Amino acid sequence: QVQLVESGGGLVKPGGSLRLSCTASGFIFSDYYLSWIRQAPGKGLEWVSYIRSSNSATYYVDSVKGRFTISRDNTKNSLFLQMNSLRAEDTALYFCARADCGGDCSPHFFDSWGPGTQVTVSS
Amino acid sequence: SYVLTQPPSVSVAPGQTARIACAGNNIGSKSVHWYQQKPGQAPLLVIYYDADRPSVIPERFSGSNSGNTATLTISRVEAGDEADYYCQVWDTPNDHPVFGTGTKVTVL
Repeated sequence: QVQLVESGGGLVKPGGSLRLSCTASGFIFSDYYLSWIRQAPGKGLEWVSYIRSSNSATYYVDSVKGRFTISRDNTKNSLFLQMNSLRAEDTALYFCARADCGGDCSPHFFDSWGPGTQVTVSS
Repeated sequence: SYVLTQPPSVSVAPGQTARIACAGNNIGSKSVHWYQQKPGQAPLLVIYYDADRPSVIPERFSGSNSGNTATLTISRVEAGDEADYYCQVWDTPNDHPVFGTGTKVTVL
């Protein structure tokens, strides 16, 4: 079955960096778009970034542009999120999620999610 | 950017029907998807393309979409349906997903 497992979260000071990883199994990783979605404590879901499968084109929410970088390694079935210049407002549970398609299709929804990894930005 | 608005909370007695609205400008022209999130868990897709259900989701969950409002309906509500529910669309012009504000369903 499809499985996504995030890692790399932790406590970091403002201005610091973290690299999140998401390891996938149970499907052909290179065939799908993948995304990072976060949830601040007691708040709703916020899309952060996604990466296409075909050309690895990347997309970001405005609040993280220039600070976060999404990437993927199809040989290792892994998705990454490099987070630099972290701020208190980046504190959240970060989910890795699989979009419903890949290649040249237009994605619509997320059919599988990992359990999440907690990122806390505090001095 | 496209905005989706949901009521913060909905309360329903066991065995009754819960309806959760998701409001957006001309949302009827978009495909709407719904997620259930229980405390401490990842979101779970319960409805996609307005009204389709993944095979693991009970028939009690249904969806509709027209005009400026999409609706998730939970029939014969059970205690295990207590959760937060989020609607979601893909904002095609800006090429990214948008989530609704979320609705907490409480089973009385």
